[in-house]
Amino acid sequence: QSVLTQPPSASGTPGQRVTISCSGSSSNIGTNTVNWYQQLPGTAPKLLIYSNNQRPSGVPDRFSGSKSGTSASLAISGLQSEDEADYYCAAWDDSLSGWVFGGGTKLTVL
Amino acid sequence: EVQLVESGGGLVKPGGSLRLSCAASGFTFSTYNMNWVRQAPGKGLEWVSSISTSSGYIYYADSVKGRFTISRDDAKNSLYLQMNSLRAEDTAVYFCAREARITLVRGVSNWFDPWGQGTLVTVSS
Repeated sequence: QSVLTQPPSASGTPGQRVTISCSGSSSNIGTNTVNWYQQLPGTAPKLLIYSNNQRPSGVPDRFSGSKSGTSASLAISGLQSEDEADYYCAAWDDSLSGWVFGGGTKLTVL
Repeated sequence: EVQLVESGGGLVKPGGSLRLSCAASGFTFSTYNMNWVRQAPGKGLEWVSSISTSSGYIYYADSVKGRFTISRDDAKNSLYLQMNSLRAEDTAVYFCAREARITLVRGVSNWFDPWGQGTLVTVSS
């Protein structure tokens, strides 16, 4: 059971907008910033969003992140087939003195 | 180009030991905190351990505390994970990841970027 809670799956058709939620607590998301990682099949995770809502260079502006209280969300607009991947949220947990991840959300582009 | 390359994975019997290495290049290794993250087959990501610059702070996940030891050699631009008393549930791909950070108005913000390609550790008799 992961400390951060994500839906196990999400789906959408090309061009649609999808959101993936990430729920935590006061010791992690409530206090610290949230990062999102994208893992394409058979590859290493890649940074997608850092510091709640910042995109690294090279990440399309179709990807956006937000945080409110003890929850965070990743939104993907203009869905494309190449967005089919696993998505993970992560944050530092002050109580555990360690990083915690969500269980991951498998995004399917129908 | 910033690059992390893991090595040292393989097949080991339960109770055995293994030492993973992560070779860093393309950045000033000594100025970054470093981490190990693992992923069991078909499962999600699990943080394993962190080591700060100059090895000042070291943290472990409860699942590996007392069995795994993280270390770094800044002169060799390398990160290590000594894994002892291995169990079947330690079977996973192990990734090393650089921890970047910025200072905010209140506190700091940290994240993992980049990640290595991973090395597979299989614990089985």
